[in-house]
Amino acid sequence: ILNVEQSPQSLHVQEGDSTNFTCSFPSSNFYALHWYRWETAKSPEALFVMTLNGDEKKKGRISATLNTKEGYSYLYIKGSQPEDSATYLCASSYSGGYQKVTFGIGTKLQVIP
Amino acid sequence: GAGVSQSPSNKVTEKGKDVELRCDPISGHTALYWYRQRLGQGLEFLIYFQGNSAPDKSGLPSDRFSAERTGESVSTLTIQRTQQEDSAVYLCASSLSRASNEKLFFGSGTQLSVL
Repeated sequence: ILNVEQSPQSLHVQEGDSTNFTCSFPSSNFYALHWYRWETAKSPEALFVMTLNGDEKKKGRISATLNTKEGYSYLYIKGSQPEDSATYLCASSYSGGYQKVTFGIGTKLQVIP
Repeated sequence: GAGVSQSPSNKVTEKGKDVELRCDPISGHTALYWYRQRLGQGLEFLIYFQGNSAPDKSGLPSDRFSAERTGESVSTLTIQRTQQEDSAVYLCASSLSRASNEKLFFGSGTQLSVL
């Protein structure tokens, strides 16, 4: 059984604070790591897909890193804004790439104005 | 279409009835996924299609659940003899190719309530 673990499960930060979340995943036969943002009453939206060890991706104030050898990824949000409030989902896939994408339970972020 | 479309958006049914959920993926997307989220839980994988075939059905919770895809396009998820524990948001997602390093595009989901 492949488990994607995310921590913390929920988080409250003040507007303007920077924050980060962790995603850990089994590193054996790893293929790709996905991050999604899921806002209330909307569909999950892709932020990043990463495959290479040491990958770093950035989209505005949000960035992510990947360590495939030890099986973890960090998502960073710089200067959190209320509109960043959402559940952030991590997902991974394995074995050559033509396999299912398995999600973690998510980190629910609330940014307090 | 412009995005992944799911119907109905809401479905209320009585225990024991059959329901059919529909997903229209983005045109040209080869891979199609079904997930569900029950209250207080994470996204749970149900089934994955590559084209019209389903190489991974491991997430279907029981034989009351089935899914098909035709024309490498529309997919339907059927739940027979619904039970209260089937109540959840059912999400469909598609991606451009079979490779799982492609980002998934999600529909807005079907909220299923079994009374």
